[in-house]
Amino acid sequence: GAVVSQHPSRVICKSGTSVKIECRSLDFQATTMFWYRQFPKQSLMLMATSNEGSKATYEQGVEKDKFLINHASLTLSTLTVTSAHPEDSSFYICSAREVGQGGRGYTFGSGTRLTVV
Amino acid sequence: DAKTTQPTSMDCAEGRAANLPCNHSTISGNEYVYWYRQIHSQGPQYIIHGLKNNETNEMASLIITEDRKSSTLILPHATLRDTAVYYCIVRNNSGNTPLVFGKGTRLSVIA
Repeated sequence: GAVVSQHPSRVICKSGTSVKIECRSLDFQATTMFWYRQFPKQSLMLMATSNEGSKATYEQGVEKDKFLINHASLTLSTLTVTSAHPEDSSFYICSAREVGQGGRGYTFGSGTRLTVV
Repeated sequence: DAKTTQPTSMDCAEGRAANLPCNHSTISGNEYVYWYRQIHSQGPQYIIHGLKNNETNEMASLIITEDRKSSTLILPHATLRDTAVYYCIVRNNSGNTPLVFGKGTRLSVIA
């Protein structure tokens, strides 16, 4: 089946630094990828929709200048958390959609646990 | 997409069937019912989906009421590895819209 690889799985960074998270679709092309954030004991919250070759669409309340999304190829989207602060500590999850598979075509990465100290 | 309502948590004895309910009373005719689950500190995993007929696969069965206003996910023989948060999501199959997650049901399978 479709596989989405997310890297790194875990990262600790100092406050004020930037962190890049990669999301790759390994065996299919994804023109659209989605980024979610999940705080402890809460559900997944959609942050943005990443479209290959165009600007990402951000959900209300998500700062586009802080969470930079690049989707330069059909298999790779990156999320960069700029000038990270402790409140950005969270579990970040990407999802890629395999065209033609309907709702079951949403494959998720294994997530990235970001801790800002 | 229609809103869904699920119980916050459920317990199930290992080896017994786990029946997870979901209400989606505002579902429209072209919307499917999807179930995903999330095991702790992992990404969500697709389980099953259906439109109006009951469905079964290697993981679970999905029972949708005739009026489609509610459904039940059945794990026939729950194991400890089935402990997870289960999300019921309603959406149509057109377009590139993302999956929107509610709060889900936290299923604890107990030995």
